[in-house]
Amino acid sequence: DTAVSQTPKYLVTQMGNDKSIKCEQNLGHDTMYWYKQDSKKFLKIMFSYNNKELIINETVPNRFSPKSPDKAHLNLHINSLELGDSAVYFCASSQEGIGQPQHFGDGTRLSIL
Amino acid sequence: AQTVTQSQPEMSVQEAETVTLSCTYDTSESDYYLFWYKQPPSRQMILVIRQEAYKQQNATENRFSVNFQKAAKSFSLKISDSQLGDAAMYFCAYRRGGGGADGLTFGKGTHLIIQP
Repeated sequence: DTAVSQTPKYLVTQMGNDKSIKCEQNLGHDTMYWYKQDSKKFLKIMFSYNNKELIINETVPNRFSPKSPDKAHLNLHINSLELGDSAVYFCASSQEGIGQPQHFGDGTRLSIL
Repeated sequence: AQTVTQSQPEMSVQEAETVTLSCTYDTSESDYYLFWYKQPPSRQMILVIRQEAYKQQNATENRFSVNFQKAAKSFSLKISDSQLGDAAMYFCAYRRGGGGADGLTFGKGTHLIIQP
């Protein structure tokens, strides 16, 4: 059983399109996150949700909108895709509590043509 | 803001030897957590080891151990008896203490090459 699963694993699309990436965790965790890994492998937090509420929203264009229908799911919707959005997007989850590690999904590689 | 610095973009080690990856961080917090994650070519992010800042004892996990120097804000990872499967990007990460939903702050990573 995959603990944190993302779909799709690969996404190739044209500039200007709208796309979504889905994330589900079956670990019973309270908190979920989205990270972006750029072409130089640098990872940066984008959003975090705790029990369906947005906690962190780093400096991310408002074309990116996370949606959490329940605490096991955190989807990422991206409008009007731009070339600079090409990256690997990782979903992660952790149990609320001091110092609990984050468990990552396998990532979604988004390529904008 | 917290920053994490990994000064070695790439390291190479012979199989079965020991290698140490460096990490320094900057924070004004006294309560925090440090992690090492491994990212093999498969792209997965795998937790290698975790250290609580309030613990003086260095964490160990089998062949992996850390040298945590709180005053120097240093958190290096030692891999003993290196194996081919250890080849990967290694990321050092920081998280503020106190619970909550803080994200991890990552360093830029070190690419570890294992030579047979």
